[in-house]
Amino acid sequence: SALTQPASVSGSPGQSITISCTGSTSDIGGYDFVSWYQQHPGKAPKLMIYDVHKRPSGVSDRFSGSKSGNTASLTISGLQAEDEADYHCSSYTKTSPLGVFGTGTKVTVL
Amino acid sequence: EVQLVESGGGLTQRGGSLILSCAASGFTVSNSFMTWVRQAPGKGLEYVSVIYSGGISYYADSVKGRFTISRDNSNNTLFLQMNNLRAEDTAVYYCARLISRDYLESWGQGALVTVSS
Repeated sequence: SALTQPASVSGSPGQSITISCTGSTSDIGGYDFVSWYQQHPGKAPKLMIYDVHKRPSGVSDRFSGSKSGNTASLTISGLQAEDEADYHCSSYTKTSPLGVFGTGTKVTVL
Repeated sequence: EVQLVESGGGLTQRGGSLILSCAASGFTVSNSFMTWVRQAPGKGLEYVSVIYSGGISYYADSVKGRFTISRDNSNNTLFLQMNNLRAEDTAVYYCARLISRDYLESWGQGALVTVSS
């Protein structure tokens, strides 16, 4: 089943926010294969974080990832208007040859 | 530069068929893990199917027996044949390059499939 994310998170420009992504020992808790995707309205998702904390080339260092137990987190520091988007987590899972996505979080910049 | 361009979406009736194409450039589809991911209106992302470089493929339970993933190595293109479509298959379908069953490195722009009942 889908990983659990909060439906929405908001913050003011310049603040830091954290999005959680909770799974189980079959996925997040058992493997360091967590990734995060940013999706602006009407656009395709974009890879922001992979392997829990790694950033692809070109992704701002304001984005960081971590994991504790069965929960992964994405932190956005120095929040900017352009960060307003939906964010989806994903993880490898031993229960399926396909991966598993989170329920998605809408980030609003106040 | 890696690029994925989808085509073939559209409107069809319940029980109908559609085929989606995903033309790749900047890498070789046959040497990669490739996936189809869909997003129903207002909903989250859902894995639909994956094909490994060796040719083995897997499907979500919701589409098993109705959808077929394939590739044309000579044209570096990925396909998704969708048969017996249902209203709940209405979604934007994305092709994406999967790195080692780990993360989706590159995505296409998406193709809208609408199934009317």
